[in-house]
Amino acid sequence: AQKITQTQPGMFVQEKEAVTLDCTYDTSDQSYGLFWYKQPSSGEMIFLIYQGSYDEQNATEGRYSLNFQKARKSANLVISASQLGDSAMYFCAMRDPGSYNTDKLIFGTGTRLQVFP
Amino acid sequence: DTAVSQTPKYLVTQMGNDKSIKCEQNLGHDTMYWYKQDSKKFLKIMFSYNNKELIINETVPNRFSPKSPDKAHLNLHINSLELGDSAVYFCASSPNRETGIETQYFGPGTRLLVL
Repeated sequence: AQKITQTQPGMFVQEKEAVTLDCTYDTSDQSYGLFWYKQPSSGEMIFLIYQGSYDEQNATEGRYSLNFQKARKSANLVISASQLGDSAMYFCAMRDPGSYNTDKLIFGTGTRLQVFP
Repeated sequence: DTAVSQTPKYLVTQMGNDKSIKCEQNLGHDTMYWYKQDSKKFLKIMFSYNNKELIINETVPNRFSPKSPDKAHLNLHINSLELGDSAVYFCASSPNRETGIETQYFGPGTRLLVL
């Protein structure tokens, strides 16, 4: 069964520094997708970045990049030049291939990031 | 221009009551989902619908009944509310898998508190 592990319950980073949030996954599927979502204190779930298992290059979206190491089954999120507004919970998730045309996301337990001035 | 919207945003109610949460998406997506986030922030799938058809029912008590009147709407009705139902309920939607786009877009969440 698919599983997502986030081993860092909390992380601190100083403004303008880079930070890496760890995510490892377990799956026997060859085709899968990995996602990162941000949940600020206001509660909404904001999609950040996606990596497909067959993508040859690491995904990037602005200050977010995904360090995808397939052999190690890791999909770490790198946030460059941290900003105070980056303080939030961050969730790693994997697509669990379902039947028909729908999939569900399996989520990790999240990492709370605090950015300080 | 809200993509995925939910109402209400907050819901406080007594044990034993019946309540509904509504979700609408204007993204033209075929698939919609309900997720539950517990007090420890853990998110878990409850249901998914594809084009009004129930696809996933993740061993949720039958007090929870989703309904999809059309592919843009997915409502969640909860009967006989219990204290343990207190959580944040998120609606999400995604395009058909054939588009190659897998991302699920979430609504703002409904914070349910059962007293």
